[in-house]
Amino acid sequence: EIVMTQSPATLSVSPGEGATLSCRANQSVSNNLAWYQHKPGQAPRLLIFGASTRATGIPARFSGSGSGTEFTLTVSRLQSEDFAVYYCHQYKSWPLITFGQGTRLEIK
Amino acid sequence: QITLRESGPTVVKPTQTLTLTCTFSGFSLTTRGMGVGWIRQPPGKALEWLTFIYWDDDLRYSPSLRSRITITKDTSKNQVVLEMTNMDPVDTATYYCAHTNYYGSGHHFDYWGQGALVTVSS
Repeated sequence: EIVMTQSPATLSVSPGEGATLSCRANQSVSNNLAWYQHKPGQAPRLLIFGASTRATGIPARFSGSGSGTEFTLTVSRLQSEDFAVYYCHQYKSWPLITFGQGTRLEIK
Repeated sequence: QITLRESGPTVVKPTQTLTLTCTFSGFSLTTRGMGVGWIRQPPGKALEWLTFIYWDDDLRYSPSLRSRITITKDTSKNQVVLEMTNMDPVDTATYYCAHTNYYGSGHHFDYWGQGALVTVSS
């Protein structure tokens, strides 16, 4: 099983600043990685797929990078609506897909 | 616009069978490439993939739960049904259904339902 590890578990950032979230795989997933944003009571929202491609309607302040085992989600100029939990998801080993445990992005 | 919504019981007793329905719109499971997956998240834990069903009746199951889960589709109703037998308190979780496209840019989920919290308790 491919294990995805996200860090940090919680990130405290002030609005207007930037945030960098990390996701690491225990083996290469190439660029088969997605990022989701999840707010309480809402459906998770696809942000990034293919490690770096923004999904439809996602603002340019969200960017993804990385390949192989190390990935980063960067959110620049944080807005109030960006504070949420973020998950990475590898689908290299489809159908045995796996998710990270999440990073909570909270207001500092 | 694609939307999905999970429905079913909020509480089930241990050993009972859970039946959850995912009702969707904006796509058809008769269209080549379309698929629906089920994912769950126990309180405070990570997301866990359970199963996929595709337009061509291709079914995929998590090896750890294969013996307990069944996924079916009703294309006339735009519904996918998840059944999980022999429920246990450790199965307490929020259950999500989500859309995927087998021939898209990867096996990610581009649309999710809001989730259904299921508690297993006597």
